[in-house]
Amino acid sequence: DGGITQSPKYLFRKEGQNVTLSCEQNLNHDAMYWYRQDPGQGLRLIYYSQIVNDFQKGDIAEGYSVSREKKESFPLTVTSAQKNPTAFYLCASSTPGEQFFGPGTRLTVL
Amino acid sequence: AQSVTQLDSQVPVFEEAPVELRCNYSSSVSVYLFWYVQYPNQGLQLLLKYLSGSTLVKGINGFEAEFNKSQTSFHLRKPSVHISDTAEYFCAVRGSGGGADGLTFGKGTHLIIQP
Repeated sequence: DGGITQSPKYLFRKEGQNVTLSCEQNLNHDAMYWYRQDPGQGLRLIYYSQIVNDFQKGDIAEGYSVSREKKESFPLTVTSAQKNPTAFYLCASSTPGEQFFGPGTRLTVL
Repeated sequence: AQSVTQLDSQVPVFEEAPVELRCNYSSSVSVYLFWYVQYPNQGLQLLLKYLSGSTLVKGINGFEAEFNKSQTSFHLRKPSVHISDTAEYFCAVRGSGGGADGLTFGKGTHLIIQP
């Protein structure tokens, strides 16, 4: 089955800890994205990558970091600098005409 | 830069009644337009998209939308809703000029189907 997988589904973190969210796709897409979703806010773009070893900041990149060492993988690290990290995080990959989304990771900071 | 406005945060509708979810956008360039549906604690699923051609676009689950360039709108419609249509619906836009910029989303409309 082709698609996007995100792990874990639920993640709990203590304040001051970094945490990494996994995103893998087997759709052979060059472009990948990370969005953050908060209630009543829609989705906001954190980072995106058009090709391996290259990525750009989105609208709310502060406190986050990414890497793109392989075409299939685009992990997101939520650092301790992110002041309000509790949210639902969605990964996506795209063709020129459509974005495909993973099932999401719900991060809760305790 | 683009922006998207979904005018209603919640829309309650009785089962088997018609529904329209409104979406307006602003952009200085030509755009692609999308509607996505999200069920609780899940990712987004594409309902339909407008890239070019006919302004009336048909999607999955009986939904359709009409692109109106003069009114910068892309309203979503369904003639008869079912209880399973209860979900969050997002309108999104991106520039059509190439590149891999992310989508700009509206804040979502929660469709509530009442029996």
